[in-house]
Amino acid sequence: SQQGEEDPQALSIQEGENATMNCSYKTSINNLQWYRQNSGRGLVHLILIRSNEREKHSGRLRVTLDTSKKSSSLLITASRAADTASYFCAPAGGGADGLTFGKGTHLIIQP
Amino acid sequence: SAVISQKPSRDICQRGTSLTIQCQVDSQVTMMFWYRQQPGQSLTLIATANQGSEATYESGFVIDKFPISRPNLTFSTLTVSNMSPEDSSIYLCSAARDRDSGTQYFGPGTRLLVL
Repeated sequence: SQQGEEDPQALSIQEGENATMNCSYKTSINNLQWYRQNSGRGLVHLILIRSNEREKHSGRLRVTLDTSKKSSSLLITASRAADTASYFCAPAGGGADGLTFGKGTHLIIQP
Repeated sequence: SAVISQKPSRDICQRGTSLTIQCQVDSQVTMMFWYRQQPGQSLTLIATANQGSEATYESGFVIDKFPISRPNLTFSTLTVSNMSPEDSSIYLCSAARDRDSGTQYFGPGTRLLVL
């Protein structure tokens, strides 16, 4: 699998605001996944979007994928303090390879 | 999804010793992986744990230092051998149920400090 690059590296917003983070990658993919990590704990799988999909929703999460630009975005609406975490994207070529993670976006939700 | 547990959750070890970390999945899975997360860093894939055969290691990781076993479809161990302070990290296992999607479910991690 290839490494995605998340942007920005850090993001601080007020509770209730929306948070947007982006992911870029270099070669064609089968799918792209987003994960969340709270305070050095295990990663939690948030959402998977396939290469033939352009947008996907899950609760307060909205993910887009633009394969022509090799980029994806994760939008968290109505942010909460519990959303404070690091977020990682994982572009995948399919199959069952291990994932390669970038530095992530560290999101801080201020009360 | 899959529920994954790891033992121990944390440990403090002396230089030169070895520690074996266990990873248990609540149901049979296709793939299992081991990752390392050094302080302040992202996750790095150590190896793919193959059921019934030798693990597949990533560049920079060798079997003598990180022997891995996977005796069945729900369990794997990672041993960190001859430890040094540079091995202080969080070690995480993950499992993929679906070979097609590759979605991985992660354990809570084992926090290791080597003195």
